Amino acid sequence: GENVEQHPSTLSVQEGDSAVIKCTYSDSASNYFPWYKQELGKRPQLIIDIRSNVGEKKDQRIAVTLNKTAKHFSLHITETQPEDSAVYFCAATLYAGKSTFGDGTTLTVKP
Amino acid sequence: NAGVTQTPKFQVLKTGQSMTLQCAQDMNHEYMSWYRQDPGMGLRLIHYSVGAGITDQGEVPNGYNVSRSTTEDFPLRLLSAAPSQTSVYFCASSYLDLAVTREGYTFGSGTRLTVV
Repeated sequence: GENVEQHPSTLSVQEGDSAVIKCTYSDSASNYFPWYKQELGKRPQLIIDIRSNVGEKKDQRIAVTLNKTAKHFSLHITETQPEDSAVYFCAATLYAGKSTFGDGTTLTVKP
Repeated sequence: NAGVTQTPKFQVLKTGQSMTLQCAQDMNHEYMSWYRQDPGMGLRLIHYSVGAGITDQGEVPNGYNVSRSTTEDFPLRLLSAAPSQTSVYFCASSYLDLAVTREGYTFGSGTRLTVV
């Protein structure tokens, strides 16, 4: 099965700085890589995703990059704001809807 | 459009009791799954289903049963509750081909379970 490693487990940045979270996956057949944001006490919600035939995708202040050869993908948040503080999960999807999640990164943005 | 509805939101059980966590979705999603989330442990897959009548085990299935008699419903049963099952439980659903539909998982609001 698929295995996903996520780093770092915690990340603290100053407001306005950039934040980068990295994930690696094990199975080269994985073809869909979503990122979820979970605010304290709430459910995870999809914020951005990328398919295996795309190298980079951007949506306003967030972007995701994928390196299929190295089997890693990253989430980039620019101009961070206090409301970006949350737990972020990466995931890799191998087949039939089943996504494997990383262990999460707790991002704290200090005002 | 309610999305994914989970009940109850909170539950306290005594060791050895059984209960069922309910999950229903109205988006005609083929895929449904249950996760538990412990502090610092991320989301661990308990059981999942790719359609009515089809279920399979995830990473941590022991002590839990599921069934999928309809597309909409995917209940999780705790057979004999143990303190180690104290956790937050999330139900999630999606279409099967995530790379095509690009909608990811829709999660329920979660059930906070405490076993004493």
